[in-house]
Amino acid sequence: AQSVTQPDARVTVSEGASLQLRCKYSYSGTPYLFWYVQYQRQGLQLLLKYYSGDPVVQGVNGFEAEFSKSDSSFHLRKASVHWSDSAVYFCAASPNMGYKLTFGTGTSLLVDP
Amino acid sequence: DAGVTQTPRHEVAEKGQTIILKCEPVSGHNDLFWYRQTKIQGLELLSYFRSKSLMEDGGAFKDRFKAEMLNSSFSTLKIQPTEPKDSAVYLCASSFSDWGLYAEQFFGPGTRLTVL
Repeated sequence: AQSVTQPDARVTVSEGASLQLRCKYSYSGTPYLFWYVQYQRQGLQLLLKYYSGDPVVQGVNGFEAEFSKSDSSFHLRKASVHWSDSAVYFCAASPNMGYKLTFGTGTSLLVDP
Repeated sequence: DAGVTQTPRHEVAEKGQTIILKCEPVSGHNDLFWYRQTKIQGLELLSYFRSKSLMEDGGAFKDRFKAEMLNSSFSTLKIQPTEPKDSAVYLCASSFSDWGLYAEQFFGPGTRLTVL
């Protein structure tokens, strides 16, 4: 069965520190991969996406993610976090040329100012 | 450009009531999705429309949930009758797909439903 796993339910980092949020997927073939962010009481906003090509993709607000086929992972990174980055981050995947998004359970990020 | 609009933002209903949630997709998008978000189940797909045609109607939700897309710029999700377990955030999303290629989905702010 297709699945997306975010092993860390909560992550706390200090402002200015680097960040990595983990995401592993289980799909036949190479899926499309996404990271979304959800601020409190708001909808999901797309941070970045991977369809093919360069495994490192850049997103908004200094976020980037790296696709690894060998590891079935799509980890999200940021070099220096800001308190405003505190939110819930969702990794998601859809089949190549398919519409059905499978979401991970989300990682709640708290940035200590 | 206006994003996905959802109304109301909050809804409180008594058990057994009928409620209707509304969504306006991004102008020009031809795909529309309804999701339910809860802490326990996470994000679950309820319905998917492509060019106003219902393509997927989430099996577990069929009996009391009915999504409709009356025109390309408006969709509704009706829950009838409501039950306390329906308390959740309902998210609408839209995207533009072409030639079988599906693009990223843009989400609205959601409607927070509380059923007493």
